[in-house]
Amino acid sequence: AQSVTQLGSHVSVSEGALVLLRCNYSSSVPPYLFWYVQYPNQGLQLLLKYTTGATLVKGINGFEAEFKKSETSFHLTKPSAHMSDAAEYFCAVSASGGSYIPTFGRGTSLIVHP
Amino acid sequence: DAGITQSPRYKITETGRQVTLMCHQTWSHSYMFWYRQDLGHGLRLIYYSAAADITDKGEVPDGYVVSRSKTENFPLTLESATRSQTSVYFCASSEGWGDTEAFFGQGTRLTVV
Repeated sequence: AQSVTQLGSHVSVSEGALVLLRCNYSSSVPPYLFWYVQYPNQGLQLLLKYTTGATLVKGINGFEAEFKKSETSFHLTKPSAHMSDAAEYFCAVSASGGSYIPTFGRGTSLIVHP
Repeated sequence: DAGITQSPRYKITETGRQVTLMCHQTWSHSYMFWYRQDLGHGLRLIYYSAAADITDKGEVPDGYVVSRSKTENFPLTLESATRSQTSVYFCASSEGWGDTEAFFGQGTRLTVV
């Protein structure tokens, strides 16, 4: 079985500060990992994904995430927060060889203060 | 326009009524999904479909029915709506599954009174 845990339902940062959103997964087989963003009253859209190869993945809007197998983590970072980054962020896992259906975390709401 | 569209965007219905949420995609993606989004629970899978006429239950299927007679459409029906089904419903589609991204509709906010 696969699962995703996002630590912190809310994360608050100041504009210009580092953004760090945490995601830990469990999977019995090598996983595929995703981060999605949801802006108010909209559907989810893909920020970035890890499938195979380079463990540091770059996405849209300056976000990146690093797959760390030893820590079963896929944390999302951005060096400098913008007001426009305020949104809900979801981590998802889809396990190769097992259940391919993506399982989502509960989401983290990013709040950006001026 | 290409994409995935849901209708209606907002719906209020009464307890016990049947209601159908529509989902249409223009990419001819094989896979389609229905999720519900609730505070504190994130996204939970209701049903999914790997192709026309192939559907399967997800994590929370009770009280819901789906069909997929055409590749592009994946309607979700609440047979007898209950207040616990008040939620935001998202339809999604993907070309494959595993390493391919899902594309989401804008959601339907359903209130059962």
